[in-house]
Amino acid sequence: AQKITQTQPGMFVQEKEAVTLDCTYDTSDPSYGLFWYKQPSSGEMIFLIYQGSYDQQNATEGRYSLNFQKARKSANLVISASQLGDSAMYFCAMSSGGYQKVTFGTGTKLQVIP
Amino acid sequence: GAVVSQHPSWVICKSGTSVKIECRSLDFQATTMFWYRQFPKQSLMLMATSNEGSKATYEQGVEKDKFLINHASLTLSTLTVTSAHPEDSSFYICSASPGNGETQYFGPGTRLLVL
Repeated sequence: AQKITQTQPGMFVQEKEAVTLDCTYDTSDPSYGLFWYKQPSSGEMIFLIYQGSYDQQNATEGRYSLNFQKARKSANLVISASQLGDSAMYFCAMSSGGYQKVTFGTGTKLQVIP
Repeated sequence: GAVVSQHPSWVICKSGTSVKIECRSLDFQATTMFWYRQFPKQSLMLMATSNEGSKATYEQGVEKDKFLINHASLTLSTLTVTSAHPEDSSFYICSASPGNGETQYFGPGTRLLVL
């Protein structure tokens, strides 16, 4: 069974500052993928970034980077230069076993303060 | 990028009626689509995996006779909530992958309110 844990129900960050959203995972499969999604109040799930378990380098997408610590089973999301539009729920997720089924964490609500 | 649409975006219906929600992959084919349900301030919970040309695979605790899933083509999956009741009120969201095994793209979701 696979499990995703997000221990921060809510976070505040000052505009233009960087913020790290924590995510740890557990799986017995050697091959897996880690995702981060953003869900604004409108409800849509917006894909942010992906990290494969065999990827040597940490994934980056614009202001988003994934701090992948395989031995610690952590996949924290780092958002640099926060913007007001970054205020949303952020979900960490994982797929494993060569199957596309995705398990989600409980989410972290990020609020960017002007 | 890959685009997934859902229709309708909002549904308000009376208790006892059935509601059909469509999920379409607009610019790619998807042999597998997923249906999730999200209650307020909670995470997404997978309901079922929709397989093109075969029966859906339901998660434990999800009533397959209540939540009918049809994957009619490589670009369309439908979820029908039969005899809806107020406790079925939720946000239903589908996802699909282009098949690269890496990224799932989500539809915009459907908010269902059963009166």
